[in-house]
Amino acid sequence: GNSVTQMEGPVTLSEEAFLTINCTYTATGYPSLFWYVQYPGEGLQLLLKATKADDKGSNKGFEATYRKETTSFHLEKGSVQVSDSAVYFCALSLGGTSYGKLTFGQGTILTVHP
Amino acid sequence: DSGVTQTPKHLITATGQRVTLRCSPRSGDLSVYWYQQSLDQGLQFLIQYYNGEERAKGNILERFSAQQFPDLHSELNLSSLELGDSALYFCASSVSFAGGPLGSYNEQFFGPGTRLTVL
Repeated sequence: GNSVTQMEGPVTLSEEAFLTINCTYTATGYPSLFWYVQYPGEGLQLLLKATKADDKGSNKGFEATYRKETTSFHLEKGSVQVSDSAVYFCALSLGGTSYGKLTFGQGTILTVHP
Repeated sequence: DSGVTQTPKHLITATGQRVTLRCSPRSGDLSVYWYQQSLDQGLQFLIQYYNGEERAKGNILERFSAQQFPDLHSELNLSSLELGDSALYFCASSVSFAGGPLGSYNEQFFGPGTRLTVL
C-alpha cells in the first residue's frame, strides 16, 4: 500500500537555525507530494507541493524537492522564525481509484525559540 | 480562511450516542473529503464524495457513514460512539479530484475541524 514516513519529532531549534524534516514515501504509481502545516488550534494549510520527479516546491522560504530515485521529499528552510512553530505533515496523493485522497505521515512538531 | 466551514467546532457526548458533523465546501468545489486526526492513528482518510456520489473509502468504521447533499454540503454521521472515537475530524474540499476532469492534481482546502470528545 501507499505510505509516508517522516522523521521523528519533536524538533526544537533556535531562531535563524537551519531546518530539515525528512520524508520518504512508498507508492504504487506516480504520486503528487505535499507538505502541509498545522498551526495550533487550526486546520491544515498547504505549504508546498510537487507533482512530478525533480520538481521543487517552495513557499515562505520553505523548499522540498521530489526525488524519485530516493523516494524522498525532505522539507528545508534556511532560517526559521518563531512563527514557524507548528506541526508539519508530509503527504502523497494518487489519482486513479485513489481519487486524490491524501495519505499523511505522522507529523513533526517544530518548536522555534527566540 | 480556507473557505471551508465545519460545524460544530466542539462536540462533547457520551459513549453509545450518535452525532452528526457538518461540512460546507468552498464555493464551486464538488469534491469533499473527510479525515480523522487522533493521537493513536495520526491523520487518516475516511471517505470522499464527488458531486453527491461516494468515490473513495478509507479506514472508515461501519458505525460511521457520510453523505453529500445536492447543495454539496456533506455530513459525517458517527453512531454507537466509543471512547476511541474521540478525535479531530477534518473536512477538505477540492474542485475535482486527482485523475478527474481537471487532470492529475487537485489542491484540497481544509476546514478548521470538529473536535469530538466521547466521555
